[in-house]
This record gives sequence, structure tokens and C-alpha cells, in this order.
Amino acid sequence: DIQMTQSPSTLSASVGDRVTITCRASQNISGWLAWYQQKPGKAPNLLIYRASSLGNGVPSRFSGSASGTEFTLTISSLQPGDSATYYCQQYNIFSWTFGQGTKVEI
Amino acid sequence: QVQLVQSGAEVKDPGSSVKVSCRASGGSFSSFAIHWVRQAPGHGLEWMGGIIPLFDTPDYSQKFQGRVSITTDKATTTAYLELTSLKSDDTAVYYCVRIVTFPTWGQGTLVTVSS
Repeated sequence: DIQMTQSPSTLSASVGDRVTITCRASQNISGWLAWYQQKPGKAPNLLIYRASSLGNGVPSRFSGSASGTEFTLTISSLQPGDSATYYCQQYNIFSWTFGQGTKVEI
Repeated sequence: QVQLVQSGAEVKDPGSSVKVSCRASGGSFSSFAIHWVRQAPGHGLEWMGGIIPLFDTPDYSQKFQGRVSITTDKATTTAYLELTSLKSDDTAVYYCVRIVTFPTWGQGTLVTVSS
């Protein structure tokens, strides 16, 4: 199985801060990576797919990038509504794996 | 527009089985895989398995082998997840997910296992 190592596990930041979350894959996943935002009691909401493509209706302050097996989600200017848990997911192979999640507190 | 609509919440006794449905619309049903992911309370996301309706050959996570079955009904464009020998730690929200251009998730089905 492909392991996804996500960091940090928690993050405390202020409104307006630039925030980055990282996921490292244990092997090449050819850019087949998604990022999700999840709020309590809700289904995961797609932010980024294919490592850097913005999901439908997602604010442009969210962006994704890749360098080899390392993937980054950036929130350029943190907003109060961005308080949530964020997950990465690889879907390069049929057996999907997820990062452990990053809880963002504002 | 790709959409996934799941069946409603279930309460089950330990040792019993549950079958959750996921009706898909948008995109060719047979050509794109449907996966199942679960999330136990306070925990992360866990892949259970998936199936490509065209081939009808499911692939399961080792963790659930022998207890899980994923099937499809192409006539109704519906996928099913069945989990047997339920235990209290199977209490979770179960999601179906489909990737046509990008991942689309169902709304989730809460399965509670309790005596």
C-alpha cells in the first residue's frame, strides 16, 4: 500500500495568515492527489484534485502544488470559516489511502 | 453533473449485517469505479474497497476481507456495500465516492452498531 504522511497534525493560526499543509507519499503517485476540507458532521468537501486543480466553487485562496512525492496545500489568507480538518488522498492506484488529517484552529 | 445519493441511517445489532446503497447519476455508470470509504467517530478516513461496474470485480482492503461485499446493479445505476459480522467499532459514517473528472462523494450513511 502507498502510505501518505501528512503534517502537521494540528495547526493554530490567525485570520490573514498564510498556511501550508504537507503530504508525502511513500512512492510515486503521478500527481493523483486530492485535498479535502471537513467540518464536524459533514462529508469531506473537495478543494483540490490532480494535485493542483481547484475544485468547483472553491475560493482561490486555496491552492495545491507538487514536487516529486511531496504535496502541499496552501491557504493564502486564512479566513474564520477555514477552521476545519484537512485531508490528503492518493488515488493513483485502486487501493486509496488518506493522510491522517490536519486540524486547523483559528 | 455527477451525483451520488446514499440510503438512510441504520441501527444494527452486533453480529448482524448491513447493506448500504449508493445511487449514481451523471457520467457512464459502467465505466467509472465506485469506492467506499468510512469514518468512525473522531477518526480519519479509511478506504474499504471499490468496483468498476463494467468488470464487476471488486477490490477490498485487507482489513475487511471476508466481511465486506461490494456489488452493483447497472439497471438502476446503484452500488451496494454489505458488511457482515458487525462489531461496535464498525459504528461509522460510510461514504461512496466516484471519480469521473474529480472525486464526488455521497452524503454519507451513519451505521450505528449497538445492542
